[in-house]
Amino acid sequence: GAVVSQHPSWVICKSGTSVKIECRSLDFQATTMFWYRQFPKQSLMLMATSNEGSKATYEQGVEKDKFLINHASLTLSTLTVTSAHPEDSSFYICSAPRAGARSYNEQFFGPGTRLTVL
Amino acid sequence: AQRVTQPEKLLSVFKGAPVELKCNYSYSGSPELFWYVQYSRQRLQLLLRHISRESIKGFTADLNKGETSFHLKKPFAQEEDSAMYYCALRGGVQGAQKLVFGQGTRLTINP
Repeated sequence: GAVVSQHPSWVICKSGTSVKIECRSLDFQATTMFWYRQFPKQSLMLMATSNEGSKATYEQGVEKDKFLINHASLTLSTLTVTSAHPEDSSFYICSAPRAGARSYNEQFFGPGTRLTVL
Repeated sequence: AQRVTQPEKLLSVFKGAPVELKCNYSYSGSPELFWYVQYSRQRLQLLLRHISRESIKGFTADLNKGETSFHLKKPFAQEEDSAMYYCALRGGVQGAQKLVFGQGTRLTINP
């Protein structure tokens, strides 16, 4: 099956610093990737759609200046949490759709990145 | 608006017993419904999708448009079925690949 990786798997940073999280599709190309946020014992909330070669599309209520997304290539999307604060602490997950049989774009998920802001 | 509701946060059944995880959705068009599973310390993975009408690991789910439901069922639960289960919806042309997830149900199979 298709593989999506994330780096780092966990990160601890001080309040006010910026953190970059990478999402890579290892064995397929993805013009679109998705970034989710998951709080403990809660569901995945879509934050934004990352589009290769163009601006990301953010969901309502997500600050685009705080969560910067760059989709520089067909296999890499990055999420940068700028001026992180403790309330940004969460589990961030990316996914990428891959065209499969019958033109069905199955989504493959990364393992997630746990961000802790002190 | 697209919405997925999983009314049960926790569900516990004994091994060998039938299990049903409920999922209801709200969507004005023709949705695609999915069940995703997350085993302990593993990433989220697709379990099954309604368009395939398949059975995976003994699980089945039927889309009931009248009741706007997509409940996941298995006649005889196994201990290895213990996991977090998410129902998800994908609909519309504009957000063609976006998934909306339910709150998730943690299934525990007791020996």
